[in-house]
Amino acid sequence: NAGVTQTPKFQVLKTGQSMTLQCAQDMNHNSMYWYRQDPGMGLRLIYYSASEGTTDKGEVPNGYNVSRLNKREFSLRLESAAPSQTSVYFCASSEYERGGEKETQYFGPGTRLLVL
Amino acid sequence: GQSLEQPSEVTAVEGAIVQINCTYQTSGFYGLSWYQQHDGGAPTFLSYNALDGLEETGRFSSFLSRSDSYGYLLLQELQMKDSASYFCAVRCDNAGNNRKLIWGLGTSLAVNP
Repeated sequence: NAGVTQTPKFQVLKTGQSMTLQCAQDMNHNSMYWYRQDPGMGLRLIYYSASEGTTDKGEVPNGYNVSRLNKREFSLRLESAAPSQTSVYFCASSEYERGGEKETQYFGPGTRLLVL
Repeated sequence: GQSLEQPSEVTAVEGAIVQINCTYQTSGFYGLSWYQQHDGGAPTFLSYNALDGLEETGRFSSFLSRSDSYGYLLLQELQMKDSASYFCAVRCDNAGNNRKLIWGLGTSLAVNP
């Protein structure tokens, strides 16, 4: 079991360039998430997908789009990168127990993005 | 609004005990979780409390008081490798009868020799 994998690990972009961050999980989880983490800001939810075929905005969706390609894969796209999008991006998937109320999120290793 | 509060930094020495508090204000409450994140790494799940009381997992314990909207993570017999950030997260109501996980800003724990 690889768990949650993300590519790339590092990326440098120029302002205005576009890129897609890839995420895949092999745990058969329905729910997947994209977070960004900035110093002192904790984890902020960008988008999430409760199940294959559905996506919803989180607290900081502006400048991003997502695709839930299938149950395993959830990608994050920056159409026109800005320096404010310099951050570490984490993908996660969720497992539920106790009638659905205990949620455990499993995180990928992160993508470190620098926008110049 | 919904919010979680935890201290930004805690310092302790090897072998000591440290408590990291988390107070929350949320719409609905279904459980409090704790995650650990080492520098440069991904957050990993530590513990979960849905009911009042103490849950113990080895050197780590987590406590919840639903009436006080308060919980804490207790780390005993501290080791250097426990130096990390610790996040509390609350499962609460979201729009349309759904649930969501909201996160505290994290507590940076430094364990000194």
